[in-house]
Amino acid sequence: QVQLQESGPGLVKPSETLSLTCTVSGGSISGYYWSWIRQPPGKGLEWIGYIYDTGSTVYNPSLKSRVTMSVDTSKNHFSLMLSSVTAADTAVYFCARSAAGHDYWGQGTLLTVSS
Amino acid sequence: DIVMTQSPDSLAVSLGERATINCKSSQSVFFTSNKKNFLAWYQQKAGQPPKLLIYWASTRESGVPDRFSGSGSGTDFTLTISSLQAEDVAVYYCQQYYSTPLTFGPGTKVDIK
Repeated sequence: QVQLQESGPGLVKPSETLSLTCTVSGGSISGYYWSWIRQPPGKGLEWIGYIYDTGSTVYNPSLKSRVTMSVDTSKNHFSLMLSSVTAADTAVYFCARSAAGHDYWGQGTLLTVSS
Repeated sequence: DIVMTQSPDSLAVSLGERATINCKSSQSVFFTSNKKNFLAWYQQKAGQPPKLLIYWASTRESGVPDRFSGSGSGTDFTLTISSLQAEDVAVYYCQQYYSTPLTFGPGTKVDIK
């Protein structure tokens, strides 16, 4: 059974860069697209972008200038960096495997932007 | 971007009764080369990540009860819960994966009447 687990700081100051990692267990990271999706408290879902095992990426144009994703197949994990964060970036961040829809999800990690 | 809309915003249905949720995309998500609709449905319970219910608009994910069904093509889709159970209380989202950016509908909240 594939499992995903997000890890990150929980709290980031405005203007700083957030960094999250998603560790995949129970299956290989190879051969799939891997997404980051976020959900502000009480709101809907926003796709941030995805990365393939080769490192090829597609980002949401709404965030593209601030997003960097990377993958480490040897560690079976992938990462998200979001720069110049503001309070509007406060959300639960999910990682997910993307195929025909997103079939496996992490539990999500709440990231709060506050000074 | 493909904009996804859902209706209603919320609905309350009696236990054992049918619940119907509609989803509309701003452009067709039907891919002619493989004759598939790039449309998925998710269920999100409070405090949990979304769970994939349906993909290719009508294919049930493994382990999903058969009271959940998806239908539609092109720009108009429906998720039906044929006999609502207490554990179905959740927010339901549709999502297109036809083109990037991948986009979700705003969600429909389902409650027990």
